[in-house]
Amino acid sequence: AQKVTQAQTEISVVEKEDVTLDCVYETRDTTYYLFWYKQPPSGELVFLIRRNSFDEQNEISGRYSWNFQKSTSSFNFTITASQVVDSAVYFCAWASGSRLTFGEGTQLTVNP
Amino acid sequence: GAVVSQHPSRVICKSGTSVKIECRSLDFQATTMFWYRQFPKQSLMLMATSNEGSKATYEQGVEKDKFLINHASLTLSTLTVTSAHPEDSSFYICSAGQGLTNYGYTFGSGTRLTVV
Repeated sequence: AQKVTQAQTEISVVEKEDVTLDCVYETRDTTYYLFWYKQPPSGELVFLIRRNSFDEQNEISGRYSWNFQKSTSSFNFTITASQVVDSAVYFCAWASGSRLTFGEGTQLTVNP
Repeated sequence: GAVVSQHPSRVICKSGTSVKIECRSLDFQATTMFWYRQFPKQSLMLMATSNEGSKATYEQGVEKDKFLINHASLTLSTLTVTSAHPEDSSFYICSAGQGLTNYGYTFGSGTRLTVV
């Protein structure tokens, strides 16, 4: 069965530090998608990135970057120069077809 | 960009009553709607997938008679929690997609249901 593991339950950093959120997935499918979402305290889910299994290129978007490595089944997310507004729960998710399987989430707290 | 409107954002209801949650795609046609439930400090769990004009597909362990899903149009899906009990108290969030490839981008803002 497909599974997404976010081993870090909580991470606390000081503003301006870089932080990496880990995501490891298990699947036998060859075609799938990986996602990252941000869920601030207000609860809404904010889409950050979607990556298909055939595209292993790393992605950078402003202070955010993602490292997809099929060899280790990982899709890690790095925030550079973290800010207090980055404080939220971050979810990694996997999908093949339209069914999303979410990881347990990582609570990131950025302290001033 | 694509916007999904969900309401109410919060609802408190008495045990035994029914509550309806609406999910609307405002600027695109959502052929598929997804309903998730999230208990405090937990992950999101898919409850059901609905395609416009057909019956919803429920995940294992989700009671279809308790969680009624209607997707009568390409812009509206509703989730009705029938005969609500305190254990149904949770955060419900919908997502809209277009077919099997265009999904995962857009979520509603969620509904926090409290059953007293």
